[in-house]
Amino acid sequence: AQKITQTQPGMFVQEKEAVTLDCTYDTSDPSYGLFWYKQPSSGEMIFLIYQGSYDQQNATEGRYSLNFQKARKSANLVISASQLGDSAMYFCAMREGIRAGGSYIPTFGRGTSLIVHP
Amino acid sequence: DVKVTQSSRYLVKRTGEKVFLECVQDMDHENMFWYRQDPGLGLRLIYFSYDVKMKEKGDIPEGYSVSREKKERFSLILESASTNQTSMYLCASRVTGDPRMNTEAFFGQGTRLTVV
Repeated sequence: AQKITQTQPGMFVQEKEAVTLDCTYDTSDPSYGLFWYKQPSSGEMIFLIYQGSYDQQNATEGRYSLNFQKARKSANLVISASQLGDSAMYFCAMREGIRAGGSYIPTFGRGTSLIVHP
Repeated sequence: DVKVTQSSRYLVKRTGEKVFLECVQDMDHENMFWYRQDPGLGLRLIYFSYDVKMKEKGDIPEGYSVSREKKERFSLILESASTNQTSMYLCASRVTGDPRMNTEAFFGQGTRLTVV
């Protein structure tokens, strides 16, 4: 079973409008964190935003906000005022548990391709 | 700025060749990862390393091995390349840190490997 589910393979949005990218997750660990990354066509993964499971407030970073609904196990990314440069793949990721050496492994969803139209 | 550098952006190799993908990070991170990215499948973990000479298998280790002789360098080895290993390979590094805090992974630019 997938730990991270992104149900939208592709999304389209008009420039300057807001868009929500969906992410649901599955974990039994009470301590976990959720990340969103952006991958432009150039290939590099760019960290956007993080939400910890114990954080009381939804995370925000500039035009990015994370709509964290713990009971529903969802962590949707909201991009306000979309720009042409927001066109990219977006990946939701989760870290949970502790592995060897005190590390943890980020697990990624399959991604959503966002296209912003002028 | 953290820098994670992968030795090649594009590689073309023949079936059966031994292939080395190199990754170097300059921030003294303990953890390093190799992922494989395929369309519709997202990123899948091949191996990770939490310290020099320490490694653990990820979700899809078959056909791959890794080497971490120095903290800053993590190599992915395809023992005998096959066409189904044609993919984008992403290296990442992360500090161990407090697991309750945000310590995101930093990624290299990716290596697009084609096996013919």
